[in-house]
Amino acid sequence: GDSVTQMEGPVTLSEEAFLTINCTYTATGYPSLFWYVQYPGEGLQLLLKATKADDKGSNKGFEATYRKETTSFHLEKGSVQVSDSAVYFCALHTGGFKTIFGAGTRLFVKA
Amino acid sequence: NAGVTQTPKFRVLKTGQSMTLLCAQDMNHEYMYWYRQDPGMGLRLIHYSVGEGTTAKGEVPDGYNVSRLKKQNFLLGLESAAPSQTSVYFCASSYSGGGIQETQYFGPGTRLLVL
Repeated sequence: GDSVTQMEGPVTLSEEAFLTINCTYTATGYPSLFWYVQYPGEGLQLLLKATKADDKGSNKGFEATYRKETTSFHLEKGSVQVSDSAVYFCALHTGGFKTIFGAGTRLFVKA
Repeated sequence: NAGVTQTPKFRVLKTGQSMTLLCAQDMNHEYMYWYRQDPGMGLRLIHYSVGEGTTAKGEVPDGYNVSRLKKQNFLLGLESAAPSQTSVYFCASSYSGGGIQETQYFGPGTRLLVL
């Protein structure tokens, strides 16, 4: 079945460091791919998405490219801030009623 | 525009007690979902609804019931709570649910502790 695998956390970085959170997927169809972010005490909110191969989603300095050849959708940011501390979820949606979420990666950014 | 709201925010139950979690959305979305979030397991779909008066089972439906009597509300019930139902519960909604580009909008969550 369809699945999402993302790197285990927590990831701890210093402010202004480069961030990569790996995400790979398995899907039988042609899914849309998402990154959601969950700030402390809040629900998930959409960070960015990509709907077809080679698309790049971007928002708030984060970006991720839909790589069909490697079935990956890695999240990157060039310079993280303390305010980016959160849990990040990779997800895929193939058009049914189910979105499949990864286990989440917690990011801590130190000042 | 409040988006998706959930009531209550936190609840402690004893084993065997019952309770209802309320989710409300003001975005006129057709589709609504209940998830539970447990450490290291991401989000797992409990039940979902594709419109007023309809509900369907998700990945982990046992021990839960749902109702969607009004389009804007989606209720999750626990008839006889068990410690295994200790979790954080999230409600979400989306405009159509079936579209491949569909984004889900989440509520702030309900933290439930069953003793």
